[in-house]
Amino acid sequence: GQNIDQPTEMTATEGAIVQINCTYQTSGFNGLFWYQQHAGEAPTFLSYNVLDGLEEKGRFSSFLSRSKGYSYLLLKELQMKDSASYLCAVRSNPTGGGNKLTFGTGTQLKVEL
Amino acid sequence: DADVTQTPRNRITKTGKRIMLECSQTKGHDRMYWYRQDPGLGLRLIYYSFDVKDINKGEISDGYSVSRQAQAKFSLSLESAIPNQTALYFCATSDASGYEQYFGPGTRLTVT
Repeated sequence: GQNIDQPTEMTATEGAIVQINCTYQTSGFNGLFWYQQHAGEAPTFLSYNVLDGLEEKGRFSSFLSRSKGYSYLLLKELQMKDSASYLCAVRSNPTGGGNKLTFGTGTQLKVEL
Repeated sequence: DADVTQTPRNRITKTGKRIMLECSQTKGHDRMYWYRQDPGLGLRLIYYSFDVKDINKGEISDGYSVSRQAQAKFSLSLESAIPNQTALYFCATSDASGYEQYFGPGTRLTVT
């Protein structure tokens, strides 16, 4: 099976930097995604990592270490609108084929003044 | 116009009733998915379809059925609704790479 762990809640200050960690255990790893979800809304895609290293996209960066089963999402220059839930999701391609996406329970980030 | 739409957006129904949630997409994607989201449990996959003739069970398919009427339409049915099916339901689509999933706005279902 698969297991994805991420902190339930985090609080940070406007203008600061925050790192949201995600650890996972899976067979047939085939990529890790980060999604942002505002309360009552649909998740929206933020980033994708399939190789080790850092992917940067504006204020958001995502890092992956496959050997450690570890990823983080880095948010810089935090804004109030970044208050949301951040979902870590692992794609796997187990024996039998068919990529499947499994989501973590999400990290609720609160940005304060 | 939204690329992925869901109807209804909100629904209250009684235990034992049959209910259908509908999803339509204009992205031209072959792959469609149904998830439910519960507080503290995250998004869980109910069913997915890689094309019109392909239907697969997800991790929590018991009590649900689906129909892929066309490339653009994927419906989720609860044959006999029960209270623990109260949740937020999302439809999603992706292209053949499965790289990024695009989510609909969600249907909030309450079973009393």
